[in-house]
Amino acid sequence: ETGVTQSPTHLIKTRGQQVTLRCSSQSGHNTVSWYQQALGQGPQFIFQYYREEENGRGNFPPRFSGLQFPNYSSELNVNALELDDSALYLCASSLSTGNNSPLHFGNGTRLTVT
Amino acid sequence: KQEVTQIPAALSVPEGENLVLNCSFTDSAIYNLQWFRQDPGKGLTSLLLIQSSQREQTSGRLNASLDKSSGRSTLYIAASQPGDSATYLCAVKGYGQNFVFGPGTRLSVLP
Repeated sequence: ETGVTQSPTHLIKTRGQQVTLRCSSQSGHNTVSWYQQALGQGPQFIFQYYREEENGRGNFPPRFSGLQFPNYSSELNVNALELDDSALYLCASSLSTGNNSPLHFGNGTRLTVT
Repeated sequence: KQEVTQIPAALSVPEGENLVLNCSFTDSAIYNLQWFRQDPGKGLTSLLLIQSSQREQTSGRLNASLDKSSGRSTLYIAASQPGDSATYLCAVKGYGQNFVFGPGTRLSVLP
């Protein structure tokens, strides 16, 4: 069983640039959620994708957008990067949107905005 | 709006001690609560998920309890080992919501 994989592991960008982060979900999982984790804090929910449609969104501006592909892999895109976007971005997959489906996380992408 | 807190923020114990980590949430209308472990700079590893109808879950040396009415969960770690050193986070899934995380408890187990 293949776990959740994310790429790249680290990324450095300049303020104002755009970035794309990628996630492959665990085998058999059709739901992907993205989280932002600032240093010393718990993860904050960005959005969730189920069967290629956005299925819930947290308190993040529209410059955070995403995609899910037919194979259930997903991308997180962030436009017009700001210094405060520096964080660990975590992808989690689950078997469904069911209320008792546990989350399985990847190792994250560390984004630094300078 | 659901808010999740964890006490203590950090904990340092000698190897072999039994310890308890606490998680509190403000809205008791939840489907489940999940405990995670996070090593520095890494993703989260799922430890235990307790459904709202359950009182506790056990996995090896770990035992998690849930008191939904009082908005509390505890994670009990028996016979702690240096390899248990990590940050432990709890997350709550409420009605019509996605998981809301606490800030975590940073645990150091000293050899």
